[in-house]
Amino acid sequence: SQQGEEDPQALSIQEGENATMNCSYKTSINNLQWYRQNSGRGLVHLILIRSNEREKHSGRLRVTLDTSKKSSSLLITASRAADTASYFCATDRNYGQNFVFGPGTRLSVLP
Amino acid sequence: DAGVIQSPRHEVTEMGQEVTLRCKPISGHDYLFWYRQTMMRGLELLIYFNNNVPIDDSGMPEDRFSAKMPNASFSTLKIQPSEPRDSAVYFCASSGGKEQFFGPGTRLTVL
Repeated sequence: SQQGEEDPQALSIQEGENATMNCSYKTSINNLQWYRQNSGRGLVHLILIRSNEREKHSGRLRVTLDTSKKSSSLLITASRAADTASYFCATDRNYGQNFVFGPGTRLSVLP
Repeated sequence: DAGVIQSPRHEVTEMGQEVTLRCKPISGHDYLFWYRQTMMRGLELLIYFNNNVPIDDSGMPEDRFSAKMPNASFSTLKIQPSEPRDSAVYFCASSGGKEQFFGPGTRLTVL
């Protein structure tokens, strides 16, 4: 299976702290994406990183990709209560448009 | 653009009944995906279309499930007959590139 696996399954932090979530996958990829899902809502795309990229930033988000270890991390800096959500990584196959989603990390940011 | 539109938002039905879920993708997107999300199995891809043609239906659980995309602006997912284990949130997503845009989902409860 090429499914990404997020770690940890759940994370609870205080507002203002940084949150780091990890994703590991099994086979080679072209692209890896991170999505956020607020409770009762659909997923929202956060960032895409290509296999030839090592790091990408978007606002308070920083994503890294280590293809040798088949892993990625999502860092949210200076977290806010509004960041409380589930975060998913999605990896593609070597062909096509099909992205496989991991089970997600539930992040709780306490005020 | 209103984003991906799904209807109904909630559906409660009895075992054995036919259920039809509907999706209107974002105009101009050429990919459409149907996902199912449960606590036990996470987010599963059921089927996806490219230019209205089904490309990969390997995630469709069994013959009780069928999906159609008669035109670029409409898709249906039908379950006939429905069973209690089909209870889940069903998401439709569309894409014009790698990023997927998710609808709000349909919460299906089969009694």
